[in-house]
Amino acid sequence: DIQMTQSPSSLSASVGDRVTMTCRASQTVSSYLNWYQQKPGKAPKLLIYAASSLQTGVPSRFSGTGSGTDFTLTIGSLQPEDFATYYCQQSYTIPPTFGQGTRLE
Amino acid sequence: QVTLRESGPALVKPTQTLTLTCTFSGFSLTTNEMCVSWIRQPPGKALEWLARIDWDDDKFYNTSLKTRLTISKDASKNQVVLRMTNMDPVDSATYYCARTRTTVTSLYYFDYWGQGVLVTVSS
Repeated sequence: DIQMTQSPSSLSASVGDRVTMTCRASQTVSSYLNWYQQKPGKAPKLLIYAASSLQTGVPSRFSGTGSGTDFTLTIGSLQPEDFATYYCQQSYTIPPTFGQGTRLE
Repeated sequence: QVTLRESGPALVKPTQTLTLTCTFSGFSLTTNEMCVSWIRQPPGKALEWLARIDWDDDKFYNTSLKTRLTISKDASKNQVVLRMTNMDPVDSATYYCARTRTTVTSLYYFDYWGQGVLVTVSS
């Protein structure tokens, strides 16, 4: 199975900040990389698929880049509702695997 | 409007079999490229994918859990059922079902999720 590693595991930021977090795959996943946001007690929400495609209804301050093994999720200007945990997930192979998450606080 | 809802027992005993049902609306599992997956999350931990069933009845399982898992569908009832045998306390988690979109390039992603059901394994 492909291992996904996210860094940092937690990130402290303030409203208005530009925030970047990374995800690294143990082998290439091409651009088959998705990002999810999860708030406490809620189900994850798809933000970005195929490394850089914004899911319908997701604010444009979210953006994703990368291919191969290294990926980045950026929040352009942090809003109060963005404080959550973010997970990457590869869909290059089955089984899909998730990173351990980056908690934004 | 796409919705999914998980149902099943909140408490199971060790060694018992867990049966969870995902009831969905707003899409059909007879439509090409539509799938449903089960994903779980132990308290305070990361997400773990368990299984997936496709519109054409293809089935896929988590590598380390596949001997314990069975996924099935009743497309006429818009339901997907997951069975997990020989439950253990480490299987205590919130279990989610999620619509899984696939594409012609084999990319797939989980675009709609249920609210989840918390299952505790304890005697």
